[in-house]
Amino acid sequence: QVLLQQSGPGLVKPSQTLSITCVISGDSVSSDSAGWSWIRQSSSRGLEWLGRRFYDSKWYNDYAVSVRSRITITSDTSRNQLSLHLKSVTPEDTAVYYCARTRDGFFDVWGQGTLVTVSS
Amino acid sequence: QSALTQPPSASGSLGQSVTISCTGTNSDVGGYNFVSWYQQHPGKTPKVIIHEVNKRPSGVPDRFSGSKSGNTAALTVSGLQAEDEADYYCSSYAGKSFVFGTGTKVTVL
Repeated sequence: QVLLQQSGPGLVKPSQTLSITCVISGDSVSSDSAGWSWIRQSSSRGLEWLGRRFYDSKWYNDYAVSVRSRITITSDTSRNQLSLHLKSVTPEDTAVYYCARTRDGFFDVWGQGTLVTVSS
Repeated sequence: QSALTQPPSASGSLGQSVTISCTGTNSDVGGYNFVSWYQQHPGKTPKVIIHEVNKRPSGVPDRFSGSKSGNTAALTVSGLQAEDEADYYCSSYAGKSFVFGTGTKVTVL
């Protein structure tokens, strides 16, 4: 059974960097049959895919155009975890953030979600 | 990348059917057979119920079915049950990115 356990601060100040970690159990962050995405959900923007990281002989990242200048997704194979870093946040970045396994064009396993509020 | 268009709401009586549309472009829905659907109950995590247009993961009732024609995909829920009342989102691969639909709230009357 694949489980994704997220952790991160619930409150981030404007202009700072939002960082969330997703620990993977039951699969590998460097799996050759899956990628790992970050998705967020807010009442104003609905569900929004932010980006993904996957390994295919080397590491690749794909990012949504809307956050491309501010996002970095990294992985730590020793800890089998994925991380999201979103810099220069504003109140518009307030949302529930999810990590999700990505296979064959869909998201089959989701983390529990992390509510992040951007406020001073 | 613009969100896929879904009707805000849909409803049906117990035992009836409801169909939700999901309209995109030839850069997403029309360009790939990687359309998926997610069910989300209040306060819960989205759950995939259809992937690759019309495939159901194990454990998903066969009351849920998917289809696609051109730039529009559809989810049909047949024999509505009370537990089907939820929000439903479509998603499509869009070439090195993914896009979600605007979401549809299904009410079981």
